[in-house]
Amino acid sequence: GQQVMQIPQYQHVQEGEDFTTYCNSSTTLSNIQWYKQRPGGHPVFLIQLVKSGEVKKQKRLTFQFGEAKKNSSLHITATQTTDVGTYFCASGGSQGNLIFGKGTKLSVKP
Amino acid sequence: GAGVSQSPSNKVTEKGKDVELRCDPISGHTALYWYRQSLGQGLEFLIYFQGNSAPDKSGLPSDRFSAERTGGSVSTLTIQRTQQEDSAVYLCASSLGGGTYGYTFGSGTRLTVV
Repeated sequence: GQQVMQIPQYQHVQEGEDFTTYCNSSTTLSNIQWYKQRPGGHPVFLIQLVKSGEVKKQKRLTFQFGEAKKNSSLHITATQTTDVGTYFCASGGSQGNLIFGKGTKLSVKP
Repeated sequence: GAGVSQSPSNKVTEKGKDVELRCDPISGHTALYWYRQSLGQGLEFLIYFQGNSAPDKSGLPSDRFSAERTGGSVSTLTIQRTQQEDSAVYLCASSLGGGTYGYTFGSGTRLTVV
């Protein structure tokens, strides 16, 4: 079945540094969604990408979908302590449910 | 309602007992999903309901797990004869349907089997 692999598993950065997490698949993805889960919280939907090569921005967050629709990235510019959490990518399964990557856990040192 | 509501928020049960977890999705969302998240881990798909279609039960880990959705709204996940490995946070989510809409997750039920 469709799987998405996320790297890195963990990322520790100094506040103000940039952060990137990558999501890769061996098969072409119909879409990619990104979620953020704060410590002790539940996943919150951030964005969906559908088109090949699509780039979307939300303030300091930049989301990209690869030209071949097999990979995606989330880049955070100048991290803040409020960015702490686990970032998950997810893509549609064959039956309509989402398959989630294992997530990248971001910690930010003030 | 305004969001996805799950109850109870916490449940401690003895090994071997049955438990029921409830999820009340956003009104108008035709799709409802159950996921499980063990401590510090990713989200494991359990079951998916879409409208009046037969549910996708492909993620249920054993026949001790079952779920139903009544009237296309509220869903109950039942775990029979609980085991310690069932301890996890059980997350419910709803969406407008399929894998092309963002999910809204509830706050989860933290299940501890002692």
